[in-house]
Amino acid sequence: RKEVEQDPGPFNVPEGATVAFNCTYSNSASQSFFWYRQDCRKEPKLLMSVYSSGNEDGRFTAQLNRASQYISLLIRDSKLSDSATYLCVVGGGYQKVTFGTGTKLQVIP
Amino acid sequence: DTGVSQNPRHKITKRGQNVTFRCDPISEHNRLYWYRQTLGQGPEFLTYFQNEAQLEKSRLLSDRFSAERPKGSFSTLEIQRTEQGDSAMYLCASSGRTDGSPLHFGNGTRLTVT
Repeated sequence: RKEVEQDPGPFNVPEGATVAFNCTYSNSASQSFFWYRQDCRKEPKLLMSVYSSGNEDGRFTAQLNRASQYISLLIRDSKLSDSATYLCVVGGGYQKVTFGTGTKLQVIP
Repeated sequence: DTGVSQNPRHKITKRGQNVTFRCDPISEHNRLYWYRQTLGQGPEFLTYFQNEAQLEKSRLLSDRFSAERPKGSFSTLEIQRTEQGDSAMYLCASSGRTDGSPLHFGNGTRLTVT
């Protein structure tokens, strides 16, 4: 089993739609969780950290389920500019930081 | 610019040659990571430093790969006797002293081995 697993997609959604991505992780001792966004041929950029109680940043909501070992990202009112690959990231602290393979999102006009 | 800096941006080399990449992290960050990324894949962990200590090294990092961070500031990644399979984007990231601090990436070095 991979340490961090994501559905690679692509997810093709119309503008204005709501889309959700899940990510599962294998190490129950993981402490830190993040979502990164990566545009084609660019470096990953931090989208948001994921906190145990769940957190929201504008149209983006992230949640953590420790019991089931998954994190999720919800994007509301999708914009064309949201088209990118979304990387789930697990680890931090004294642990190595592991990336999922990414979920590709294409928002269609 | 106080972000993570990587040099060179692009490197084309012939198979069998040695290459060295440099990463300058954000100055107050004590943790530094190297990743490799190929098209359609997420970044794969290579190695991780806390200050000058190399705390973890992936099994992906064969004996042809070596990384150093001699003074706990910049880091170098050397690949000896390059192979075509080494062609990839090599990403460096740094993070702060607080556990759980997110990683900040440089622009990467794109290596092409011909």
